[in-house]
Amino acid sequence: QKEVEQNSGPLSVPEGAIASLNCTYSDRGSQSFFWYRQYSGKSPELIMFIYSNGDKEDGRFTAQLNKASQYVSLLIRDSQPSDSATYLCAVIGTDLYNFNKFYFGSGTKLNVKP
Amino acid sequence: NAGVTQTPKFRILKIGQSMTLQCTQDMNHNYMYWYRQDPGMGLKLIYYSVGAGITDKGEVPNGYNVSRSTTEDFPLRLELAAPSQTSVYFCATQALSGVVKNIQYFGAGTRLSVL
Repeated sequence: QKEVEQNSGPLSVPEGAIASLNCTYSDRGSQSFFWYRQYSGKSPELIMFIYSNGDKEDGRFTAQLNKASQYVSLLIRDSQPSDSATYLCAVIGTDLYNFNKFYFGSGTKLNVKP
Repeated sequence: NAGVTQTPKFRILKIGQSMTLQCTQDMNHNYMYWYRQDPGMGLKLIYYSVGAGITDKGEVPNGYNVSRSTTEDFPLRLELAAPSQTSVYFCATQALSGVVKNIQYFGAGTRLSVL
């Protein structure tokens, strides 16, 4: 059973601060990692994906991947109240049988206070 | 271009009833998925399909059935509904290749209550 672990939160940060969301995964062979944002009552939407060790930046969002530590994180700079949502971490299963399957964490709820 | 369309949006079932959740896509994606999301939890894969005529079980397939007769449609069938199937159901699609492969696109979801 492949596992993706996230702190459920809620994580509360003041507006303008950096929010740091963390995710660990059990399958050392995982190659692809995704962050989805899900507003209450809505479907998940892709924020970022990362395949290689290191950082990947997209606007206010930075994804960080450390395969040796089996750790992926999402940093949100200059947090806004509109960033308040649940953030889901997902990885793709690596072996042939699991090739097409995404494994999701339970999500971290982020509250950005004005 | 509607993307991924799920119907119905809401449904209340009585224990033992059956129903079909519909999912239709116009993105011409080969891969389609059904997930369920219980309150405060992540997504659990129920079934998936890599193309018309090909389906396989995910993590939580018991109590569900699927079919994939066309690229566009991937209905999820609940037989003998149970309270444990109360959840939000999401359908998703994914391209087989290209720049956007490995990106899943989700429908708006079906909120199901079994009472």
